[in-house]
Amino acid sequence: DADVTQTPRNRITKTGKRIMLECSQTKGHDRMYWYRQDPGLGLQLIYYSFDVKDINKGEISDGYSVSRQAQAKFSLSLESAIPNQTALYFCATSDLNTNYGYTFGSGTRLTVV
Amino acid sequence: GQQLNQSPQSMFIQEGEDVSMNCTSSSIFNTWLWYKQDPGEGPVLLIALYKAGELTSNGRLTAQFGITRKDSFLNISASIPSDVGIYFCAGVDGANSKLTFGKGITLSVRP
Repeated sequence: DADVTQTPRNRITKTGKRIMLECSQTKGHDRMYWYRQDPGLGLQLIYYSFDVKDINKGEISDGYSVSRQAQAKFSLSLESAIPNQTALYFCATSDLNTNYGYTFGSGTRLTVV
Repeated sequence: GQQLNQSPQSMFIQEGEDVSMNCTSSSIFNTWLWYKQDPGEGPVLLIALYKAGELTSNGRLTAQFGITRKDSFLNISASIPSDVGIYFCAGVDGANSKLTFGKGITLSVRP
C-alpha cells in the first residue's frame, strides 16, 4: 500500500456541487498539506496542518476548506465547485524528522464541468 | 510572497546528453530541495541540500546549494529516457517551515 493515499484518483463533477477529496497516510507524520497543480504554475499550497488541532491557510485557500479528522487523515472540500477549480490536487506529509522531505500522494485529477 | 524562479518551462535534450537546471530566488533559503514528478504521479524527492555551498550527488544527479543561499542547480548526466518528467526546486526559509516550490521544468529526452 502507498504511504500517502488519495481518493478518488479521478473525479468529474458539476458546477455548484460539493465535493470532498480525501487523503490518508501511514507514515506517522504530523504535518499534512494540500496542493493544487495547474500546467505551468507549479504547486500552490491550499491548506496545511501541523497537527490534529492545527489548520492554516495557504496561498490559494479561497473556495476550499479542510478537515483534519485524525493524525492520518486530512480531507479537502470544495463547497461549491467552479470550473476554474479544475486541476490536479496533491496531498503531502512531512514531519520534523524528514527535514522537509515531503511525501506526496499520487494525486486526484478533478474536472468541474 | 516568496518565489522561486525556474526557466525555461521546457527543455528538450538528446539521450546521453547532460543537462543543467537552475533555480533562483530574491530571498534567502536555508534548505533547498529538488523533486521529480513522473507523468501521472506525485513529486518524489531527489536531493536535499542543507548548507550553503553543499554539493550532493545521487547517482547521475548532482545538486548544489548556492553560496549566497539564493540559488541552486541540478545537473543530470548521461540522460536516459526515464529522466523525462517535471523537475521542481523547492526552498525553506526556516521562518515558516513550509516549502515554496518553483513552477517546474518539463524535461523531454529524445532517444
